[in-house]
Amino acid sequence: NAGVTQTPKFRILKIGQSMTLQCTQDMNHNYMYWYRQDPGMGLKLIYYSVGAGITDKGEVPNGYNVSRSTTEDFPLRLELAAPSQTSVYFCASSSASRRTEAFFGQGTRLTVV
Amino acid sequence: AQTVTQSQPEMSVQEAETVTLSCTYDTSENNYYLFWYKQPPSRQMILVIRQEAYKQQNATENRFSVNFQKAAKSFSLKISDSQLGDTAMYFCAFMKHAINSGGGADGLTFGKGTHLIIQP
Repeated sequence: NAGVTQTPKFRILKIGQSMTLQCTQDMNHNYMYWYRQDPGMGLKLIYYSVGAGITDKGEVPNGYNVSRSTTEDFPLRLELAAPSQTSVYFCASSSASRRTEAFFGQGTRLTVV
Repeated sequence: AQTVTQSQPEMSVQEAETVTLSCTYDTSENNYYLFWYKQPPSRQMILVIRQEAYKQQNATENRFSVNFQKAAKSFSLKISDSQLGDTAMYFCAFMKHAINSGGGADGLTFGKGTHLIIQP
């Protein structure tokens, strides 16, 4: 059971570049989430999705875009990367019936220079 | 909007001792869930314990237990017989009940964390 898989694990971007963080889960979960964790801080919700074709903004959505074309995948797109987006990004998923049991990926450490 | 506050940035105890991590939160909701997550150096987020606000009984999971004081909006984590493997960041988190989030998936609101160090 792979659970929640994030790729890449590490990435360095230059200011102004774009990239997509990939997230896939094999548990048939309806709910998926993207969080960011800044140094010395807790996780903050960027975007979430309750199912394919449905996404919504979280607490810190500016500078990001998401899509949910399948149940399994929930990619996070960074356009015009800025140093403020240097962070560790976590993807998580849960089932609708057990939404309090979130499964997290291993995280992607992104540095924008 | 809800907030979660962890006022202890770092704590250090000797192995086998008992340690209590503090968490307070602010919300206007009556039904919600509270969590403690552990994040070791591997970065993996691990659920330690979960409490449903409408349950008066404090949750326990082996060496981990909580003291949930709903009126005071306090949710502390007690770790008994601490072990070296307990060394990690610990995050307190809040989630609305599904009824109060329109049946949707609001996600978790986290505190800033407490770095717990267990000394040999």
